[in-house]
Amino acid sequence: GENVEQHPSTLSVQEGDSAVIKCTYSDSASNYFPWYKQELGKGPQLIIDIRSNVGEKKDQRIAVTLNKTAKHFSLHITETQPEDSAVYFCAGGTSYGKLTFGQGTILTVHP
Amino acid sequence: GAVVSQHPSRVICKSGTSVKIECRSLDFQATTMFWYRQFPKQSLMLMATSNEGSKATYEQGVEKDKFLINHASLTLSTLTVTSAHPEDSSFYICSAREEGQLSSPLHFGNGTRLTVT
Repeated sequence: GENVEQHPSTLSVQEGDSAVIKCTYSDSASNYFPWYKQELGKGPQLIIDIRSNVGEKKDQRIAVTLNKTAKHFSLHITETQPEDSAVYFCAGGTSYGKLTFGQGTILTVHP
Repeated sequence: GAVVSQHPSRVICKSGTSVKIECRSLDFQATTMFWYRQFPKQSLMLMATSNEGSKATYEQGVEKDKFLINHASLTLSTLTVTSAHPEDSSFYICSAREEGQLSSPLHFGNGTRLTVT
């Protein structure tokens, strides 16, 4: 089955800086890679996703890149704000199948 | 946007009793729903895939008789934790994918915090 590795486990940045979280996956059949933000006591919220036919996708301050050959994908958050502080999860799988989640990254943005 | 509602948000029960958690897709139909379990400061672990009108598919190591899943309609799936024990205490989260969409993302409920005393 799929195995998704996520790094770093914790990330601390100053407000306004950029944050980058990286994930690798093992199953070459995976073609869908979403990123979720989870706040304390809540369910994960989809923030951006990318499919294997696209190398990069951007939505305002958030961008995701995918390297299919190397089987890794990354989340980039620019101009970070304190409200970006949360746990971020990457996931990999197929469009209509189950997702395997990474271990999570605790992002802290200091004012 | 697509909304998944989960109820209750918190439940405390005594050891040996059963607890039912509901997961509803409010504005879309979902043939398939997924149930996850999350321990504190850990990732989401898939427990089972709930299929409308048929039996759920459980992940390896998940006890079918303990975690009963029913997906009776296109908008409702339930997870029943039977004969709960303290080790079943956890955060349970359901998710659903919108049907009929070419590239529909997985939407999550807000989870249920189960505490077994």
